[in-house]
Amino acid sequence: DIQMTQSPSSLSASVGDRVTITCRASQSINSFLNWYQQKPGKAPDLLIYAASILQSGVPSRFSGSGSGTDFTLTISSLQPEDFAAYYCQQNYITPYSFGQGTKLEIK
Amino acid sequence: ELQLVESGGGLVQPGRSLRLSCTASGFTFGDCAMSWVRQAPGKGLEWVGFIRSKPYGETTDYAASVKGRFIISRDDSKSIAYLQMNSLKTEDTAVYYCTRERAVAVTSFDYWGQGTLVTVSS
Repeated sequence: DIQMTQSPSSLSASVGDRVTITCRASQSINSFLNWYQQKPGKAPDLLIYAASILQSGVPSRFSGSGSGTDFTLTISSLQPEDFAAYYCQQNYITPYSFGQGTKLEIK
Repeated sequence: ELQLVESGGGLVQPGRSLRLSCTASGFTFGDCAMSWVRQAPGKGLEWVGFIRSKPYGETTDYAASVKGRFIISRDDSKSIAYLQMNSLKTEDTAVYYCTRERAVAVTSFDYWGQGTLVTVSS
């Protein structure tokens, strides 16, 4: 099974900051990597698919990069509504697996 | 508007069974694979399993933690996906989400239901 490891597990930042979250796969998954955002009490929302393609309606301050085993999610200028949990997920092979999540909190 | 609505959650004793339903609207249900994802209280997301569409044989696959106990099925005439959960354990306590799988570039879960809480406790 493929293990997905995110870092950091939690992060404190301020509005306007640039933030980067990393995700590492235990083996190559090419670009079969998606990012989701989850706000408290809500279902996750798809942010980025295929490692770098922005889902329709997602603000352009979000971007993704990487391939193989190392991936990043970057938020260029944090907005108040961005404080949430973020998960990476591989759909390269079943069992599909998620990272443990990164909780982004207001400093 | 595309919508997924889960139902059937609740309190159940260990060892018992429960069936969740996911009612879909706003898209051609029969064209899509459907997955179930769960989230234990205060924890991260865990993929439970999926069912492919009829052209792909309605084949299923499951996480090791539920294989042999959970069964995913679908009724395309009603636009409903089901998650039959048998031999429930306390560690199955979670919010269960159904998701639509979209195959564009890669497979991703582009729509999620609101979730239904399953509590396994004596």
